[in-house]
Amino acid sequence: EVQLVESGGDLVQPGGSLRLSCAGSGLSVSGNYMNWVRQAPGKGLEWVSVIYSGGTTYYADSVKGRFIISRDYSKDTLYLQMNSLRAEDTAVYYCATPNPTWTDSRGYNVAYYHAVDVWGQGTTVTVSS
Amino acid sequence: QSALTQPASVSGSPGQSITISCTGTSSDVGGYNYVSWYQQHPGKAPKLIIYGVTGRPSGVSNRFSASKSGNTASLTISGLQAEDEADYYCSSYTSLSTSVVFGGGTKLTVL
Repeated sequence: EVQLVESGGDLVQPGGSLRLSCAGSGLSVSGNYMNWVRQAPGKGLEWVSVIYSGGTTYYADSVKGRFIISRDYSKDTLYLQMNSLRAEDTAVYYCATPNPTWTDSRGYNVAYYHAVDVWGQGTTVTVSS
Repeated sequence: QSALTQPASVSGSPGQSITISCTGTSSDVGGYNYVSWYQQHPGKAPKLIIYGVTGRPSGVSNRFSASKSGNTASLTISGLQAEDEADYYCSSYTSLSTSVVFGGGTKLTVL
């Protein structure tokens, strides 16, 4: 069974920094198209960042210049470095990725469709003084 | 990145069918067949139920179906069951930021 486990969530003061981690089981974080998605309390899902297998990264406008997505190949772990944190960054943060072992009838993985079907349980970040 | 537009809530009785709409623009929903739908129960991680506008992952009930017309995608749930009560989110690739954008979410209540 493929799984993702996030860690690193905590209570941090405005302006502070935090690094989230995401480790995989049954799949390689290093080789997959990996996303961070967040959900503020009582709110909807918000895509935060993506790193493609080749290393290209993209960010939501709300975090651009403050957050950095990266991965450590030796530890097969995904990271989200969050700097200059604001109250509005308070949320549950999920890492999510396509299941690399599944393809549809056309032979495509859901990554082709910019979808994800493996999610972690989430880690909570609270930004407050 | 503007969120896709979904109704805040829909409701239906067991056995009935409901449809949730998801409206975007030609830069996202209308321009690509990369619309997905996710189901989220309270306190749980989202679950992919539709990909590529109409595709259904293995293990997802065939009571879930979806389509797209122009800039609007739709999710239909037929034969409503109590377990379908959840939040539903659409998402689409967007060329504006070469990334993904989510809808605001729709809360489905099974009466």
